[in-house]
Amino acid sequence: DTGVSQDPRHKITKRGQNVTFRCDPISEHNRLYWYRQTLGQGPEFLTYFQNEAQLEKSRLLSDRFSAERPKGSFSTLEIQRTEQGDSAMYLCASSLRLAAQETQYFGPGTRLLVL
Amino acid sequence: TQLLEQSPQFLSIQEGENLTVYCNSSSVFSSLQWYRQEPGEGPVLLVTVVTGGEVKKLKRLTFQFGDARKDSSLHITAAQTGDTGLYLCAGGGGSGNTGKLIFGQGTTLQVKP
Repeated sequence: DTGVSQDPRHKITKRGQNVTFRCDPISEHNRLYWYRQTLGQGPEFLTYFQNEAQLEKSRLLSDRFSAERPKGSFSTLEIQRTEQGDSAMYLCASSLRLAAQETQYFGPGTRLLVL
Repeated sequence: TQLLEQSPQFLSIQEGENLTVYCNSSSVFSSLQWYRQEPGEGPVLLVTVVTGGEVKKLKRLTFQFGDARKDSSLHITAAQTGDTGLYLCAGGGGSGNTGKLIFGQGTTLQVKP
């Protein structure tokens, strides 16, 4: 199966440390999205890429967050100087934008716990 | 700001019962998706509705998109324990060319045997 994969699945870190997550989208999908989900809530949009270009960033994405998609394939999301409030599930989704419709397929997520 | 309100937030029913989950907004969406999410996993797409008044059926699940494309409902007939999970509605088609989804807060469904 060539679904969306994310690595790692779980990450525990101490406050102040940097963490990096990776997302491998479905091959040939030109769009890649990052969302964050806290317990008991729906996912919230963070940012998205079309090919290698980062086209939109949410106000939720503070200066400590940076995302890249250098070759238009996999993407990384880095959080610097983590805070306890960063603890959440980080979800990646990919889609193939055709005309006006697209369907996003989600990965299994990376659960981050900041101690 | 586009918001989606889901109700109820929690639902605990016996196997065999019927239920309806609602997703409402004051904004118009070009499409609306329903996802189901298991604990520790990512959301899995159930259906996409795009036309006002559209009704789609997926076995025991019936999805409806409101005529004005501002609301949607999910109806489950004769619920089974395997239907237990978090149900999320998500609206698409924001301003510009973005495909970002706006999610509701989810409905946690527990179906007891």
